[in-house]
Amino acid sequence: QVQLVQSGAEVEKPGASVKVSCKASGYTFTGYYIHWVRQAPGQGPEWMGWINPNSGGTNSAQRFQGRVTMTRDTSTSTAYMELNSLRSDDTAVYYCARDVSSVAGMDVWGQGTTVTVSS
Amino acid sequence: DIQMNQSPSSLSASLGDRVTITCRASQSISSYLNWYQQKPGKAPKLLIYGASSLQSGVPSRFSGSGSGTDFTLTISSLQPEDFATYYCQQSYSTPRTFGQGTKVEI
Repeated sequence: QVQLVQSGAEVEKPGASVKVSCKASGYTFTGYYIHWVRQAPGQGPEWMGWINPNSGGTNSAQRFQGRVTMTRDTSTSTAYMELNSLRSDDTAVYYCARDVSSVAGMDVWGQGTTVTVSS
Repeated sequence: DIQMNQSPSSLSASLGDRVTITCRASQSISSYLNWYQQKPGKAPKLLIYGASSLQSGVPSRFSGSGSGTDFTLTISSLQPEDFATYYCQQSYSTPRTFGQGTKVEI
């Protein structure tokens, strides 16, 4: 079946980096954009950016530019999101999700990866 | 950035009630509006895309309408499994902003 499976929970110290993976299965990986969305405790979702697995092109929200790197490995159908210079307010659940186009919505989501930033 | 404003932020309803949630965009987004349902500890689930298209597998009691700046999600007859938080999201431009959410409670 179509699914996105994310890597496990991470605990990092302020100033460190974290890299979350998102492995796709059950569909053509290069046919759908992969978005990264995070959700801080008790808050609504926040869109971070997307990667086009076909071209490798990316687009990220301005507030994360310079801190976030999105990559993909087409040989393993896996997308990655790395966030640098972590702060306590980066503590959140990080999701990957796919969409085929901007009119289609994000129809398949990963299970989420909890990232805790604490000294 | 396009701001998405949902109302109400929460509502109390009973089984069988008709529920309406509204979402207003700070500028026209045509029909690039999606609705998601989220339950505690779970990822959001796509209900409606393109303002009014029902995602495959979603019950027909859910419907969406609107275009431009004003949109509505309607649940025609509230079921026990519908108690959740609902978010609108625009996909007209990046950043793909979400509304602040509407919590539907008993």
